[in-house]
Formats: sequence, C-alpha cells, structure tokens
Amino acid sequence: ELKVEQNPLFLSMQEGKNYTIYCNYSTTSDRLYWYRQDPGKSLESLFVLLSNGAVKQEGRLMASLDTKARLSTLHITAAVHDLSATYFCAVDMGAQKLVFGQGTRLTINP
Amino acid sequence: DTGVSQDPRHKITKRGQNVTFRCDPISEHNRLYWYRQTLGQGPEFLTYFQNEAQLEKSRLLSDRFSAERPKGSFSTLEIQRTEQGDSAMYLCASSYRGRSYEQYFGPGTRLTVT
Repeated sequence: ELKVEQNPLFLSMQEGKNYTIYCNYSTTSDRLYWYRQDPGKSLESLFVLLSNGAVKQEGRLMASLDTKARLSTLHITAAVHDLSATYFCAVDMGAQKLVFGQGTRLTINP
Repeated sequence: DTGVSQDPRHKITKRGQNVTFRCDPISEHNRLYWYRQTLGQGPEFLTYFQNEAQLEKSRLLSDRFSAERPKGSFSTLEIQRTEQGDSAMYLCASSYRGRSYEQYFGPGTRLTVT
C-alpha cells in the first residue's frame, strides 16, 4: 500500500524567511503533485512533477522530485503572508488516482 | 466558468437519510474522480470513471455508496442510510487522459450528518 508522509505537519515562519516542506512516499511512482488548500476551500494545483530530477518554479515556490529517493520538496523563498495555507503532496498510484499526504499547515507571520 | 462544478455545496441531513451529490467535470475531460476529505486530513480516493465506465472503487466505498457517470458527462455520488461517520467534504476532480496530467478539483460538497 502506497503511503505518503509530509513533514513538518505544522510550520510557523516569519515573512522573508526560507523553508522547505518534505514529501516522502513508499513505493515507486513517476508523478507527484503539489496542491494548495485555503481554509474551507478546494484544492488548487501548484505543480505536477513528471520525472526524476524534475524541478518547477512559480513565484516564491519551487518543487523538485527525486524518484530514486522517493522524495519531493517544496521550497518557499522569502515567504509572504499570502502563502499561508495548507500544502499537500500527492502521488499518482496509476491512472492519476492520487494518494495524498497529511498536509502541511503553513502560517506566515508578519 | 469552465472549471469543475459540484452541487450542492453544503448538505445537512439526518442519520439514515439518503443523499446525492452531482459533479460536472471540465468539458471534454474523460476521467472523473471522487475523493473524500475529513477535517485535518488529506483527500482519500473513492472511485474513478473513464468516460462512462467506473474502473475502480476504493475499499473505503462501502455498499452504501454508489456512483454513476451516465453518458460520460456529469457524475453522481449517492450515499444511502447516511451515518455520522460520513460527514466530510466530498471532492470531485477531472482530467484528460492522454493530454495533460493535471487533475482539477471542484469546490466540494460539505456533508454534515446529524
């Protein structure tokens, strides 16, 4: 059974700082997704990583994938308050059926 | 609006009642997925369709749950004899097999069983 673990689960940081969220998964997969969720809202797609070594960047967020280590990271650069949300990674277990991590609740303080 | 839509957005029902949710995927998307999300957790896969065929159901989907996608367009998820443990956000997502790997989520239906 595919398991996806994120850490940390809670992260409180100051504006302007950098930090990384880690996503480990237990079985082989070549596709990994990152989503953002605001309280009471649905999921917003951030990145789809399709192969080993894939790196994607959008604004202050950068995601990478190492399929050999079964690890993805989401790096936040110079955080701003608007990035406060819960971030989920999800692994494709075939046919785009996604297994999600527990989520990382990120709070960015002024 | 060309995104995934779901109806209703909120549903409050009494234990034992039946409820039905609807999902309209992005036009021309041939895959449709249902997930369930409880408070503080990530979404969990329930079932998915490719066109009108239901190809897989999670073991989370008990016999009280049934899903359909007639004609490969919108989908419905019905829960019979609801229980308090069914209270959750039910999310629908769609994608286009063979084009992009993006999976787009709808706004969800929040079910509260009293």
